[in-house]
Amino acid sequence: DQQVKQNSPSLSVQEGRISILNCDYTNSMFDYFLWYKKYPAEGPTFLISISSIKDKNEDGRFTVFLNKSAKHLSLHIVPSQPGDSAVYFCAASARDDKIIFGKGTRLHILP
Amino acid sequence: SQTIHQWPATLVQPVGSPLSLECTVEGTSNPNLYWYRQAAGRGLQLLFYSVGIGQISSEVPQNLSASRPQDRQFILSSKKLLLSDSGFYLCAWSVGGGGNTIYFGEGSWLTVV
Repeated sequence: DQQVKQNSPSLSVQEGRISILNCDYTNSMFDYFLWYKKYPAEGPTFLISISSIKDKNEDGRFTVFLNKSAKHLSLHIVPSQPGDSAVYFCAASARDDKIIFGKGTRLHILP
Repeated sequence: SQTIHQWPATLVQPVGSPLSLECTVEGTSNPNLYWYRQAAGRGLQLLFYSVGIGQISSEVPQNLSASRPQDRQFILSSKKLLLSDSGFYLCAWSVGGGGNTIYFGEGSWLTVV
């Protein structure tokens, strides 16, 4: 059973426009959510996180929105830049220290 | 500052051979430690996590095992590799207690032939 779902395997966005990456989860015990960016043959790097007590967190070009009632979160990147082309992973954790990842969305930034 | 290292970076192993991947964390005490695997075309699958020395939780039944002989050392092992064990293995750490960011190592590419 996949507890963290990223239903779009890939996404293409024009440079300078907004990229929106989506993530759904099924476990209502999750209370902390994270986004990671990954280049090929490298470890994922942390981008931004959000606690379940908030519905929005912003850091520079990156904003994460959390809709607890819909069990949905999204990552907005604006403006999108060529270096943003990578695979983005959504992750979630409950209080048991396990951190579960989605399957990732490959973002292509088009010139 | 905290750092995490894992090795070897790449290895090619024959089917049936043993495996040992090592990971160490510096600059922190009593971290949570994790092993993930990214198989071709798939997401990050949690294999094992540990909240303390000798405490290992296994998430996926398989022919892999993990050990934590020291506070900041995490080892992934296998006695006999299968072709399906090929993938990109990632060690990670976090501060204990839940609700914390995890930080990944550089990853280890394993190809079983």
